[in-house]
Amino acid sequence: RKEVEQDPGPFNVPEGATVAFNCTYSNSASQSFFWYRQDCRKEPKLLMSVYSSGNEDGRFTAQLNRASQYISLLIRDSKLSDSATYLCAVNKVPGDSNYQLIWGAGTKLIIKP
Amino acid sequence: GAVVSQHPSWVICKSGTSVKIECRSLDFQATTMFWYRQFPKQSLMLMATSNEGSKATYEQGVEKDKFLINHASLTLSTLTVTSAHPEDSSFYICSARDIEGSSNQPQHFGDGTRLSIL
Repeated sequence: RKEVEQDPGPFNVPEGATVAFNCTYSNSASQSFFWYRQDCRKEPKLLMSVYSSGNEDGRFTAQLNRASQYISLLIRDSKLSDSATYLCAVNKVPGDSNYQLIWGAGTKLIIKP
Repeated sequence: GAVVSQHPSWVICKSGTSVKIECRSLDFQATTMFWYRQFPKQSLMLMATSNEGSKATYEQGVEKDKFLINHASLTLSTLTVTSAHPEDSSFYICSARDIEGSSNQPQHFGDGTRLSIL
């Protein structure tokens, strides 16, 4: 089993729809979780950190489910500009002073007009 | 805040050339910087972790003599691809993490360097 897994997609979603995807992680002791978006041929950009109680930033909601060991990202009222690959990242080893992250392979999202 | 600058953005050079890529944290200090490589339509692959003032830690399968890393200050890390060959052509991206703040600090990425070896 991979340490961090994502459905590669692509998710083809009409503009204005709500879309959600998950990211599962294998290390139950993981403490830090992030969602990044990566546009084609560009660097990843931080979308949001994921907090234990869940957090929202505009149309984006991130949640953590420790019992089932996954994080989720919900996008409401999707825009064409939301088309990208969404990467999840989880801290590698709790207590690791380098704070390395383990990356999912990404979920490709395509918003269609 | 949390801006990371990477230079150059594009490099096209002949086989056998050595290429140096710089990664700078502009508005924060980074004890640790990370170097990644990404081939087309593939996921990020961590190459090495760069620590200020000490030797870098390389991931399995990454040749340390091929990919030289120097992290001389809290704001600058460099990656030198020595004697580059066509198979080294890839998208190289650095990231940095602010030394201040909680353990939940994310990594911030540079713009990446697209390396093409002819």
